[in-house]
Amino acid sequence: GDSVTQMEGPVTLSEEAFLTINCTYTATGYPSLFWYVQYPGEGLQLLLKATKADDKGSNKGFEATYRKETTSFHLEKGSVQVSDSAVYFCALTKNYGGSQGNLIFGKGTKLSVKP
Amino acid sequence: EAQVTQNPRYLITVTGKKLTVTCSQNMNHEYMSWYRQDPGLGLRQIYYSMNVEVTDKGDVPEGYKVSRKEKRNFPLILESPSPNQTSLYFCASSFRRGDQPQHFGDGTRLSIL
Repeated sequence: GDSVTQMEGPVTLSEEAFLTINCTYTATGYPSLFWYVQYPGEGLQLLLKATKADDKGSNKGFEATYRKETTSFHLEKGSVQVSDSAVYFCALTKNYGGSQGNLIFGKGTKLSVKP
Repeated sequence: EAQVTQNPRYLITVTGKKLTVTCSQNMNHEYMSWYRQDPGLGLRQIYYSMNVEVTDKGDVPEGYKVSRKEKRNFPLILESPSPNQTSLYFCASSFRRGDQPQHFGDGTRLSIL
């Protein structure tokens, strides 16, 4: 079945460091891909998305490119801030079958940014 | 303000005592969903609903029930809670299934003793 695998955390960085969180997926067909972010004590919020191969999603300095050839959607940011400390989830939507359109999440990666 | 509201936010209870977690959205969304979040497992879908009176099982439905009598409400019912249902629960909604973003509530932390 469809699945998402993202790098284990936690990830601890110093402020202004470069961030990469790896995400790869397994899916039949052409899923849409997402990064959601969960700040402490809150629900998830959509951070960025890409709906087809080679699309680049971007928001708040974060970027991710839909790479069909490597089935990847790695999250990057050039200079992290303390306020970026959160749990990041990679996700896809199924595009076939009875549960088409439902989100499938990775396990999440906790990021801590130190001043 | 557009929001998904869950109640309660925290609950400690005992095995076998029926409980309901309420979820309400004010965006006239057709699609609503329940997830549970567990360490090392991420978010897993429990049940979803595509519209009033239309519900379906997600990936981990055992031990849960839902209902969708009104468009705005989607309660999660644990008829006989057990300790393995101790978890952080999220309700989410979107206009239609597959639409993004899904709007999430702030979560309900359940502890079943």
